[in-house]
Amino acid sequence: AQKVTQAQTEISVVEKEDVTLDCVYETRDTTYYLFWYKQPPSGELVFLIRRNSFDEQNEISGRYSWNFQKSTSSFNFTITASQVVDSAVYFCALSEQYSGAQKLVFGQGTRLTINP
Amino acid sequence: EPEVTQTPSHQVTQMGQEVILRCVPISNHLYFYWYRQILGQKVEFLVSFYNNEISEKSEIFDDQFSVERPDGSNFTLKIRSTKLEDSAMYFCASSEGDSGRVEQFFGPGTRLTVL
Repeated sequence: AQKVTQAQTEISVVEKEDVTLDCVYETRDTTYYLFWYKQPPSGELVFLIRRNSFDEQNEISGRYSWNFQKSTSSFNFTITASQVVDSAVYFCALSEQYSGAQKLVFGQGTRLTINP
Repeated sequence: EPEVTQTPSHQVTQMGQEVILRCVPISNHLYFYWYRQILGQKVEFLVSFYNNEISEKSEIFDDQFSVERPDGSNFTLKIRSTKLEDSAMYFCASSEGDSGRVEQFFGPGTRLTVL
């Protein structure tokens, strides 16, 4: 069975600091997909990034970067030079490849607070 | 930019009543989902729907729940005889494809409060 663990329940940093959110996953499949979603205080879920299990190339997008390591089953997310608007709950999610519609399994979320 | 919409944004009901939560997925999407999030907890999968039938459902999605696509645009979640523990945020999502190659787009959610 698949499982996603976000060990950090809450993180609080001062604006402009870098912050890394950890995500560890469990799956028996060799083909799977990993996601990060952001949930701002308004409550909606905003898609940030998707990675498949065959692509371990790390990615940078502006102030965001992702570090995917299959050897440790981790998919960590870093915000560089954090801003107050980054304050939100961040969810890591996993989807396994199988016939039928995709099911996302979410971690517990990490509440990130950026203080001015 | 196309988006998933949900109505109502907040629904208050009495225990034992039936509620219908409505969603309008993105128009060219074929796969539809419902998730729920109890306050302060993680987002949990309820059900996926494709080609007018359920593709997969979780243990949460028991006989109390049903889904329907009554027309070409709406996707509904019906909860019969609501319980206090059904109080949660319910998210609808849709996607173009059925694998992780495409992301799911989520609606803004309906907050259900059962009194």
